[in-house]
Amino acid sequence: KQEVTQIPAALSVPEGENLVLNCSFTDSAIYNLQWFRQDPGKGLTSLLLIQSSQREQTSGRLNASLDKSSGRSTLYIAASQPGDSATYLCAVWDGNKLVFGAGTILRVKS
Amino acid sequence: DTGVSQDPRHKITKRGQNVTFRCDPISEHNRLYWYRQTLGQGPEFLTYFQNEAQLEKSRLLSDRFSAERPKGSFSTLEIQRTEQGDSAMYLCASSPPGHPYEQYFGPGTRLTVT
Repeated sequence: KQEVTQIPAALSVPEGENLVLNCSFTDSAIYNLQWFRQDPGKGLTSLLLIQSSQREQTSGRLNASLDKSSGRSTLYIAASQPGDSATYLCAVWDGNKLVFGAGTILRVKS
Repeated sequence: DTGVSQDPRHKITKRGQNVTFRCDPISEHNRLYWYRQTLGQGPEFLTYFQNEAQLEKSRLLSDRFSAERPKGSFSTLEIQRTEQGDSAMYLCASSPPGHPYEQYFGPGTRLTVT
């Protein structure tokens, strides 16, 4: 059974800092891995999708890496802003469904 | 494009009552998914449809839960004889043909069972 773990559970940083969120998964036979953002009371927004054959994806200030052999992914956020405050969820595709971690709650202080 | 919509946004019910939630996917999206999210946890997969066919159900979906997508458009999720453990956010997502990994999520329905 695929399990996804995210560390840390919560993170508080001052504005402008670079930060790294970690995700690990137990079964390396994944299709793809995705990072989502969830704002309070709202649905999820996809940030980055890394296909199983890729090692990283970038979008603006976000960079996500994937190491299938070690079962790990990281989400790097550069020059953090207060608007980045949200819960960040890592999820792996297991067949036709997503298996999510519990998320990292990020607070960026101005 | 109006995005995925869910109705109601909030539902408070007493234990033992039945509830039904509706999800309207983005137009032309052929895949529709239901997830459940409890406080402090990530969403958990419940079931998914391709057009009107329900292709996969999680073991989380007990006999009290049923989902339908009668014409391959909107979907309903019904919970019978609700229990306090059913309190959660129920999320719906859809994806377009040929792009199963592009999931667009709705805002969710928050269920509170008292």
